[in-house]
Amino acid sequence: QVQLQESGPGLVKPSETLSLTCTVSGGSISSHYWSWIRQPPGKGLEWIGNIFHSGSTNYNPSLKSRVTISVDTSKNQFSLKLSSVTAADTAMYYCARTYYYFDYWGQGTLVTVSS
Amino acid sequence: EIVLTQSPGTLSLSPGERATLSCRASQSVSSTYLTWYQQKPGQAPRLLIYGASSRATGIPDRFSGSGSGTDFTLTISRLEPEDFAVYYCQQYGSSPPYPFGQGTKLEIK
Repeated sequence: QVQLQESGPGLVKPSETLSLTCTVSGGSISSHYWSWIRQPPGKGLEWIGNIFHSGSTNYNPSLKSRVTISVDTSKNQFSLKLSSVTAADTAMYYCARTYYYFDYWGQGTLVTVSS
Repeated sequence: EIVLTQSPGTLSLSPGERATLSCRASQSVSSTYLTWYQQKPGQAPRLLIYGASSRATGIPDRFSGSGSGTDFTLTISRLEPEDFAVYYCQQYGSSPPYPFGQGTKLEIK
């Protein structure tokens, strides 16, 4: 059974960079795409971007200028960096295994942007 | 960019009733790439239906999906207490972004 676990700071200051890591267990990261998805409190879901084990990435155009997703196959992890954050980036951040749907999700981690 | 519009925003029904949730795309999408998720409070979304009509592993057969082109439907034949949640449709196209609908909240009447 594939499991995903997000980790990273729960509080980030405005203008700084949000950094999260997703650790995959029960399966190899060297297959499928892997995505980051976020959900502001009380709102809907927004796909941020994805990465293949080769390092090939796709990003949401609305966030592309601020997003970097990377992969570390030796650790079975992939990571998200979102720069120049504002309060609008406050959200639950999920990682998910990606086919052309998201079949396995992490439990999510809440990131609050506040000084 | 494709926009997915779900209706109604909120659906109030009783256990045992039939629920019909709609997802309309702003342009035609391939059924292969139309997916439905269920989300309960405090939980991550859960894959329900992929390819517009294929149930994911472990999903009860009271859940069914249908549709093509721009109009897709999620039907729950007989509501169980655990089915009351928010439901999202999502499209995974040939290029990003891969949008979600805004969600339909299914609440107990």
